[in-house]
Amino acid sequence: ILNVEQSPQSLHVQEGDSTNFTCSFPSSNFYALHWYRWETAKSPEALFVMTLNGDEKKKGRISATLNTKEGYSYLYIKGSQPEDSATYLCAFPDRGSTLGRLYFGRGTQLTVWP
Amino acid sequence: GAGVSQSPSNKVTEKGKDVELRCDPISGHTALYWYRQSLGQGLEFLIYFQGNSAPDKSGLPSDRFSAERTGGSVSTLTIQRTQQEDSAVYLCASSPWGGTGTEKLFFGSGTQLSVL
Repeated sequence: ILNVEQSPQSLHVQEGDSTNFTCSFPSSNFYALHWYRWETAKSPEALFVMTLNGDEKKKGRISATLNTKEGYSYLYIKGSQPEDSATYLCAFPDRGSTLGRLYFGRGTQLTVWP
Repeated sequence: GAGVSQSPSNKVTEKGKDVELRCDPISGHTALYWYRQSLGQGLEFLIYFQGNSAPDKSGLPSDRFSAERTGGSVSTLTIQRTQQEDSAVYLCASSPWGGTGTEKLFFGSGTQLSVL
């Protein structure tokens, strides 16, 4: 079992605030790191898949960075909006298996107050 | 095109009954995955199908759980003799090829299973 840790568990911010949260994963045998957003009553939606150390991805106001040597990724949201309220999940493929198995963290639950 | 479709969206059953959950993946997607999220827990891998290869069943929690994928498309997850600890949201996902670890997963909206 691969240990994928996310922090904080929950976060409450005001509209307009910028925020960030962390995903920690095993740095040995790194292959890829996934970020998903899961809004209540909807399907989890892929945000990014990151594979290279130092990689930075951006989608609108959301961006992510990756440090494979120290085993962490940061997700940043600039100018949070109420529609950003969701649980943000990171996931790590098991290189020891068929690579089809993703290990998910427990997520960071973000609430953005208007 | 249509996304991943799951049915039913909600299922309430009595302890000891069998249940079947259905997943219709995105057309043309070779890989299909089942996950579940129990209350307060993270997403837990259950089973992975890729094309005609033998499925990776390593995440199935007990022999009461089984899954099949017919014709490389629709999948059914069956839970026999349900227990209260089986209560969870069961999510299905698909991806174009699978087996790379770098493909985004496309998730359905899940089946909320409640075992009374």
